[in-house]
Amino acid sequence: ELKVEQNPLFLSMQEGKNYTIYCNYSTTSDRLYWYRQDPGKSLESLFVLLSNGAVKQEGRLMASLDTKARLSTLHITAAVHDLSATYFCAVARKIGNQFYFGTGTSLTVIP
Amino acid sequence: EAGVAQSPRYKIIEKRQSVAFWCNPISGHATLYWYQQILGQGPKLLIQFQNNGVVDDSQLPKDRFSAERLKGVDSTLKIQPAKLEDSAVYLCASSSLAGKGETQYFGPGTRLLVL
Repeated sequence: ELKVEQNPLFLSMQEGKNYTIYCNYSTTSDRLYWYRQDPGKSLESLFVLLSNGAVKQEGRLMASLDTKARLSTLHITAAVHDLSATYFCAVARKIGNQFYFGTGTSLTVIP
Repeated sequence: EAGVAQSPRYKIIEKRQSVAFWCNPISGHATLYWYQQILGQGPKLLIQFQNNGVVDDSQLPKDRFSAERLKGVDSTLKIQPAKLEDSAVYLCASSSLAGKGETQYFGPGTRLLVL
């Protein structure tokens, strides 16, 4: 069974600090997604990473993909309170196209 | 552009009852997904449609869950009979093209509580 593991599961950080969320997966994949979910809300797409070495940045968030290591990272730069949310990575299996989500990382940015 | 619409937003039923959820994807989106998100967990894909055909339903509990997408637009997901462990948020998502790095757009979800 495909596994998608994120760490940490919970992250509390002060405003202005940097941190990285990790996403490991256990199958061959050519597509890796990052989503944000606010409490009681639905999921919002952040990034789609399609190739080894892909890097995408939007504001204070930057995502990267290493398909050989089966690892993606979501780096947060100079965190602000508005980034408080749960972040999910999701992997599409290369053969079969099934989607699998990680367990999520609950981020709290403290003013 | 209108987003993915779902109804109802909330539903409370007793175990062994039946329930149905409805989803209207973004206009023109060929691919539609149903996910189950249990509190504190990531979404789990239940079924994926490409137009009105099923692409993947390997994680759908077929003894009690069913889904259809007639005419390749709207979709319904049914649970019959419901169990306590079915309490979750049911999310519908759509995308324009499957398998090509497409972005999935999620609806607001239906929160189901089974008593």
